[in-house]
Amino acid sequence: GAGVSQSPRYKVAKRGQDVALRCDPISGHVSLFWYQQALGQGPEFLTYFQNEAQLDKSGLPSDRFFAERPEGSVSTLKIQRTQQEDSAVYLCASTVGGTTDTQYFGPGTRLTVL
Amino acid sequence: QQQVKQSPQSLIVQKGGISIINCAYENTAFDYFPWYQQFPGKGPALLIAIRPDVSEKKEGRFTISFNKSAKQFSLHIMDSQPGDSATYFCAASSLSGGYNKLIFGAGTRLAVHP
Repeated sequence: GAGVSQSPRYKVAKRGQDVALRCDPISGHVSLFWYQQALGQGPEFLTYFQNEAQLDKSGLPSDRFFAERPEGSVSTLKIQRTQQEDSAVYLCASTVGGTTDTQYFGPGTRLTVL
Repeated sequence: QQQVKQSPQSLIVQKGGISIINCAYENTAFDYFPWYQQFPGKGPALLIAIRPDVSEKKEGRFTISFNKSAKQFSLHIMDSQPGDSATYFCAASSLSGGYNKLIFGAGTRLAVHP
């Protein structure tokens, strides 16, 4: 069956541009997570949605980062006025809903800010 | 603050050998400890996970050993194969919040030589 998909897979932005990264979770998955993975590092939590509700956004690095999931399925991570330090792979993961349910990760979007 | 410390950074093992990766955590509220495998260009995939009520869990060639008093856990890969060459991440989370907010280690790059 289809897994978590993310688009675009690669994004190059000039410093100061706004970008939008899309995540399509597995159909029916209630919970959705965004992580940021810097080169050579482990993923770091950004934000968590349960259906359309954003219940935890404690990991968002600044107010330039914004995430939404308006209909409880597709989610978009938006970064305004991108900076070089935003360069990373942005990973999306979804789960059926339970706390110990497996988090299924998408392939990520590699963002490079020039 | 690095809540989950992982070692070594890289590991080279001969085919058929045992690969051992170690992690240490600080937060005693953590009660879920998964290991993830990541291939280049892919998202992390869950390998095996353990709760603190057991000291060891085995699934096929993969075993987690858990030492609650030392706040350490490790992944053992028996009979390592070239196909196991990947980056491995330990993680930890507290499930009391009702969702699984994973804190990842920095990763171990494993190379299994034929």
